[in-house]
Amino acid sequence: NAGVTQTPKFQVLKTGQSMTLQCAQDMNHNSMYWYRQDPGMGLRLIYYSASEGTTDKGEVPNGYNVSRLNKREFSLRLESAAPSQTSVYFCASSDRGRDSNQPQHFGDGTRLSIL
Amino acid sequence: GQSLEQPSEVTAVEGAIVQINCTYQTSGFYGLSWYQQHDGGAPTFLSYNALDGLEETGRFSSFLSRSDSYGYLLLQELQMKDSASYFCAVRDRGSSASKIIFGSGTRLSIRP
Repeated sequence: NAGVTQTPKFQVLKTGQSMTLQCAQDMNHNSMYWYRQDPGMGLRLIYYSASEGTTDKGEVPNGYNVSRLNKREFSLRLESAAPSQTSVYFCASSDRGRDSNQPQHFGDGTRLSIL
Repeated sequence: GQSLEQPSEVTAVEGAIVQINCTYQTSGFYGLSWYQQHDGGAPTFLSYNALDGLEETGRFSSFLSRSDSYGYLLLQELQMKDSASYFCAVRDRGSSASKIIFGSGTRLSIRP
């Protein structure tokens, strides 16, 4: 009964380094999301995937790329990390239809620091 | 553009009832959601209202008035474990999920 699993849980990078955040869900959900949360703020959508092979930009996509290779996995890549990308990153999934698309199940988050 | 307003902090007493309000401005509207997040934890989905009225789930209820662009989360029989941040979120009608917007959150503190 894992739900949404994110790896890694913590990561420290140097400016300019690249890395990929991994997310997998075992609930057979179609929709998956990547959010970032800065201190004292709400969640901001980075990218969204309605189904395998499709992705859409969210509110703050600059500096990120995503890949939805199969129904289970949705990865987030930082090609050249910047200090402004220091944040907590949450992956989420949803089993509702396209008309609602409210993320329902969240991973535990990845705490990312860019030095 | 889109915006959501909710109080930054609310304090209540254990066993009491508390209401957390959320007002929104969008060019269209699909629905209003509520999430709970404990410090250091992940958000937990609480409720979703697409139509006007009150929806109840145990001690938590959520209300929506589309004509007033307003909703609230009602927590009854407050317990210490309800101390957390609560976020409202809206999705603009006519857009994809890329337009889901979260409020900045209301930090609820429960006193014994």
